Amino acid sequence: DIVMTQSPLSLPVTPGEPASISCRSSQSLLYSNGENYLDWYVQKAGQSPQVLIYLGSYRASGVPDRFSGSGSGTDFTLKISRVEAEDVGVYYCMQGRQPPITFGQGTRLEIK
Amino acid sequence: QLQLQESGPGLVKPSETLSLTCSVSGDSISSSSYYWAWIRQPPGKGLEWIGNIYYTGKTYYNPSLQSRVIVSVDTSKNHFSLKLSSVTAADTAVYYCARHYAWGSGSYRPFDSWGQGTLVSVSS
Repeated sequence: DIVMTQSPLSLPVTPGEPASISCRSSQSLLYSNGENYLDWYVQKAGQSPQVLIYLGSYRASGVPDRFSGSGSGTDFTLKISRVEAEDVGVYYCMQGRQPPITFGQGTRLEIK
Repeated sequence: QLQLQESGPGLVKPSETLSLTCSVSGDSISSSSYYWAWIRQPPGKGLEWIGNIYYTGKTYYNPSLQSRVIVSVDTSKNHFSLKLSSVTAADTAVYYCARHYAWGSGSYRPFDSWGQGTLVSVSS
C-alpha cells in the first residue's frame, strides 16, 4: 500500500495569513500519462469531504483561487494564500495512483 | 444535479452482515466516466477507502477488507451496494458513497461527488 504522511497534523492560523500543508507518499504518484494522482480534500464539521485540488495542482470547480497545490513524485504541498474563517476544517491528501486508494491522516486547520 | 444517497440499517449486531445501498440520481450509473466507491470514517478518525465498482461489474477492494467485502451494482435501479460480513465494533463508522475515475483509458476524476454519509454502529 502507498502510505500518505501529512504534516503538520494541527495548524492554527491567523485570518489573513498564509497556510501550508505537506503531504508525502511512500511511492511516486506519477502516472504513465505524466500526471500526479494526488488530490486534496477538506472536510468541514458535520459535512462530507469535498475536493479542492486534483492531479496535484488543478483546482476543482468553485474552489477559490487562494487554494493552490504543487509538487510531484512523492512530495506535495497545499497552500492557502490568505486563510479565512470559512477554511476551518480537516484537510486530507489522497493518492489515486494505485489501489488501495489511501488518505493522509488529516490536518486540522483552526483559526487563532 | 447529481445526488448520491446512502441507505441501510443504522445498527448491526456483531458477526452479522452490514448492508448499504447508494442511490444515484442525476447521472447514469452506467456512465463509462466513473467508478462508484464506498469510503468509511470511524468516529473522530480519518478516511478509509473500502472499494470501487464500474458499471460492468469490475471491482477493486481494499486488501484489508477484501475477505469480507462485496460491492455490487444494479444498473436497472441506478444504485450500487455494499455488503460487509462478520462485522465487529471496529466497523462502526460513517459510510460514504462517492464517484471517481482512475486506472483506465479515460480521464482521471477525483471524488467529486459524495453522499451525505450514514452512521452504522455495530453493537449487540
